Amino acid sequence: GENVEQHPSTLSVQEGDSAVIKCTYSDSASNYFPWYKQELGKRPQLIIDIRSNVGEKKDQRIAVTLNKTAKHFSLHITETQPEDSAVYFCAANSNSGGSNYKLTFGKGTLLTVNP
Amino acid sequence: GAVVSQHPSWVICKSGTSVKIECRSLDFQATTMFWYRQFPKQSLMLMATSNEGSKATYEQGVEKDKFLINHASLTLSTLTVTSAHPEDSSFYICSASGRSDTEAFFGQGTRLTVV
Repeated sequence: GENVEQHPSTLSVQEGDSAVIKCTYSDSASNYFPWYKQELGKRPQLIIDIRSNVGEKKDQRIAVTLNKTAKHFSLHITETQPEDSAVYFCAANSNSGGSNYKLTFGKGTLLTVNP
Repeated sequence: GAVVSQHPSWVICKSGTSVKIECRSLDFQATTMFWYRQFPKQSLMLMATSNEGSKATYEQGVEKDKFLINHASLTLSTLTVTSAHPEDSSFYICSASGRSDTEAFFGQGTRLTVV
């Protein structure tokens, strides 16, 4: 089955700096890679996603890159702000039998942005 | 984005009793719903995948007789924790999706405490 590895587990940056979180996946058939942000006590919220037919996607201060050959994808946050502090999860889809599929999540990265 | 409602938000029950958690997609038809368990400061561990009208697919190590999942309609899936024990205390969260390569929307989660 799919295996998603995420690094680092914790990341501390100064306000205004950039933050990069990296993930690798194992299933070459995966074609959808979302990133979720989870604030303490709240549900995960999608912040950006990328599909396998593109290599990069950007939305304001957030960007995601995908390298299908190497099976890795990364989240880039520029000009970080204290409100970016949260746990970030990457995920990859995979087939779970027949036409069924599932999302496998990485272990998460606790990002702390220091003012 | 779409809305997924999970109920109850928290529940306290006695050992040996059963607890039912509901997950509803309010404004879209969820082909697939996922049930996760999340321990403090840890990742989302997929328990099972449920597809409307068919049996749920459980992840390895998850007892299907203990965690009963029903997905009777395209807008409702339920998770029943049977004969709950203190070690079942956790944060349970569902997500719903319409397709394999689109965003999965999360419910607000259920904090289960078994005393």
